[in-house]
Amino acid sequence: GAVVSQHPSWVICKSGTSVKIECRSLDFQATTMFWYRQFPKQSLMLMATSNEGSKATYEQGVEKDKFLINHASLTLSTLTVTSAHPEDSSFYICSAARLAGGAPYEQYFGPGTRLTVT
Amino acid sequence: GENVEQHPSTLSVQEGDSAVIKCTYSDSASNYFPWYKQELGKRPQLIIDIRSNVGEKKDQRIAVTLNKTAKHFSLHITETQPEDSAVYFCAASRSYGGSQGNLIFGKGTKLSVKP
Repeated sequence: GAVVSQHPSWVICKSGTSVKIECRSLDFQATTMFWYRQFPKQSLMLMATSNEGSKATYEQGVEKDKFLINHASLTLSTLTVTSAHPEDSSFYICSAARLAGGAPYEQYFGPGTRLTVT
Repeated sequence: GENVEQHPSTLSVQEGDSAVIKCTYSDSASNYFPWYKQELGKRPQLIIDIRSNVGEKKDQRIAVTLNKTAKHFSLHITETQPEDSAVYFCAASRSYGGSQGNLIFGKGTKLSVKP
């Protein structure tokens, strides 16, 4: 149990275009999903918290108009990188939180999406 | 806000030896402390976690200890094997009631187990 998928696994796009990344919890309902960014040899940096049916909460320094998050259902959240630039190239990972017999919640990660902007 | 410090940044051990990774946190309200293992290019995998009402938890060769007073927690891996080589991240969060706390990660420890 607790499987999280992410699509695509990698994408190359041209500067100025937009890219959508999907995160799905396959065998459980996730009221909350998280989006992280990870640079090579570095830790995971939380970008935003996505709650089903409500607006995402962005971390300080993350542009909400650039990184659009939609959490339309209990099993799907999407991250759209708008007007991508080379500096947006990174490894983007989502996680889905599962209730574990009450608080606190366990997080399970997707396999990540490698974004390269040329 | 919460701040998590992790040490060491790199750790090299011989196969069969033990490895210990330590983390400290700043928010005394944090109550959930998971450890993740991440192999190169792959997703972080939850390997063990501990909640603030427990001082120690063990799962086969892996154990985690928590000292709430000192605000630090540690990962212990015994009888290390080459397949234990990976980057390990500690994290802390404050989750209670209906709230789903954000995980704050340490910077990671690259563990290398030499055969």
